[in-house]
Amino acid sequence: AQSVTQLGSHVSVSEGALVLLRCNYSSSVPPYLFWYVQYPNQGLQLLLKYTSAATLVKGINGFEAEFKKSETSFHLTKPSAHMSDAAEYFCAVRRASASKIIFGSGTRLSIRP
Amino acid sequence: GAGVSQTPSNKVTEKGKYVELRCDPISGHTALYWYRQSLGQGPEFLIYFQGTGAADDSGLPNDRFFAVRPEGSVSTLKIQRTERGDSAVYLCASSLGLAGVSYGANVLTFGAGSRLTVL
Repeated sequence: AQSVTQLGSHVSVSEGALVLLRCNYSSSVPPYLFWYVQYPNQGLQLLLKYTSAATLVKGINGFEAEFKKSETSFHLTKPSAHMSDAAEYFCAVRRASASKIIFGSGTRLSIRP
Repeated sequence: GAGVSQTPSNKVTEKGKYVELRCDPISGHTALYWYRQSLGQGPEFLIYFQGTGAADDSGLPNDRFFAVRPEGSVSTLKIQRTERGDSAVYLCASSLGLAGVSYGANVLTFGAGSRLTVL
């Protein structure tokens, strides 16, 4: 069965600091991986996706994620946090042949001034 | 339409009542998904439609939950004999239903959700 584990339900960083949100996946076959963001009172939006074309994936708003098969990880990073990055972030996985996307439990990112 | 539209945005009902939640997907998207998101949790898969048929309903929690998509566009999620534990935000998403190796990369576009509160 496929699943994702997001380490840390809440991460707080200072404005301008590095953002690192952790995601580990469990899948018996190479998966497709996604990061979605949910701003307060808004719907889920796609940040970026991994589809095996390149292990380092760049997304919107300066975020990027690196697929590491040996570590079964797909951590999300941003070099310099901005106040507008405060939101809930969800890692998600889908097997190539599967229909459904499985989401992690989410990490709430807070930015300190 | 331009995005995925869900109605109502908020629904308050009493325990034991019947509710319907509607989803209008992006025009041309053949795949439609329903998820449920409880407070502090990630979205939980409920059911997936490819066209008019439910291709995967493994996430429906019990037989009180049912969903239809009769014409392959609008979908309705139906909950009978609601319970307090059904309170959550119900999310709908749609995507292009492309088959083949690119299928897994299809991106889901989500609606804003329908918040259901069962008193």
